[in-house]
Amino acid sequence: GENVEQHPSTLSVQEGDSAVIKCTYSDSASNYFPWYKQELGKRPQLIIDIRSNVGEKKDQRIAVTLNKTAKHFSLHITETQPEDSAVYFCAAGGSGTYKYIFGTGTRLKVLA
Amino acid sequence: DAGVTQSPTHLIKTRGQQVTLRCSPKSGHDTVSWYQQALGQGPQFIFQYYEEEERQRGNFPDRFSGHQFPNYSSELNVNALLLGDSALYLCASSLGGGLGEQYFGPGTRLTVT
Repeated sequence: GENVEQHPSTLSVQEGDSAVIKCTYSDSASNYFPWYKQELGKRPQLIIDIRSNVGEKKDQRIAVTLNKTAKHFSLHITETQPEDSAVYFCAAGGSGTYKYIFGTGTRLKVLA
Repeated sequence: DAGVTQSPTHLIKTRGQQVTLRCSPKSGHDTVSWYQQALGQGPQFIFQYYEEEERQRGNFPDRFSGHQFPNYSSELNVNALLLGDSALYLCASSLGGGLGEQYFGPGTRLTVT
């Protein structure tokens, strides 16, 4: 069935370092890949997304890369700050479907 | 610009009871999707409503049902509650019924005892 694997489950980095979170999807029809940030007790917030016709997208300190052949996509956060600490979820959605399949989340801790 | 709102914030129910959760989409949005998020897990898709119709359903039993009103707001109903239904229920709104940016509400925390 459809599945999105996300790694690592937890990630600790020093402030100013980079963080990378990786996801693998199973449905080759997937063509839209959003990333959400969820702080404790709060709603998931869309931070960046990418469509399958693009290999990379960047927004300030956040970038997402997509490898359609390998069915991998990754979130890159540079110059991490303590306020980046949260749980990050990747998701995948495809044509002909109206649902997103979410990964299991990565808890990012940025140590000051 | 009003964001996605959900009510109630918290709810405690007993096994076997029924519950109704409500969602108002972001201003200008016409599509509502419902998700269940168990503790420590990613959101799981329940179903999506567009043009007052259920467009797609995830792997949830018929105990889970919904409705969308002409003003695009939506309800999620769960019958015969089980302990395993305890979770955060999130609604997300988007525009046009297809895949695109979804904006989540704050969620309703349901506890079944």
